[in-house]
Amino acid sequence: DVKVTQSSRYLVKRTGEKVFLECVQDMDHENMFWYRQDPGLGLRLIYFSYDVKMKEKGDIPEGYSVSREKKERFSLILESASTNQTSMYLCASSLTGASGYGYTFGSGTRLTVV
Amino acid sequence: QQQVKQSPQSLIVQKGGIPIINCAYENTAFDYFPWYQQFPGKGPALLIAIRPDVSEKKEGRFTISFNKSAKQFSLHIMDSQPGDSATYFCAASIKTGANNLFFGTGTRLTVIP
Repeated sequence: DVKVTQSSRYLVKRTGEKVFLECVQDMDHENMFWYRQDPGLGLRLIYFSYDVKMKEKGDIPEGYSVSREKKERFSLILESASTNQTSMYLCASSLTGASGYGYTFGSGTRLTVV
Repeated sequence: QQQVKQSPQSLIVQKGGIPIINCAYENTAFDYFPWYQQFPGKGPALLIAIRPDVSEKKEGRFTISFNKSAKQFSLHIMDSQPGDSATYFCAASIKTGANNLFFGTGTRLTVIP
């Protein structure tokens, strides 16, 4: 069974902390994504990566950075967490050029910044 | 700019009813239209998908209707059950590029027993 695994289900962090959210996929997918999900706003793309060490900004990259040192791992970094970054964070992966397969999502990390 | 427009934002039906969620798009390059189902505390999971060369696809109680000329597609849930209560996202995909799947804003469905 293919999987996208997010390391934490729930996190509580303090304002100003540096926060790392980790995501690992075992499907040998080229592409990986980070979304945040807020009520009424749907899925908003933060960053995505199409190859190791490659990254592209999504729709809402401000306040975030990412790291992809290995194909299977994609990390989201909140440089200085703020309360408006309290949200559900979802990682996903996909194959390049495979429009018939969609994305596979992890179970999400619920982050609360206090 | 929202590439896929979804409505309604929320929907409440009685058990046994047939909720319908609608989506519309503009980009004629889209060639794959999946629906995702998300239960509380979980990530979205692929539910059912359709290609534009067919007008309808059924899987169990879930049916996608697709109108290529109107650039619209919809999800129907037959004989809805309380266990169908979830958030549903429509999406549309193109062949090229890494970031090639565009999501609607989601519909929160509640099925009342």
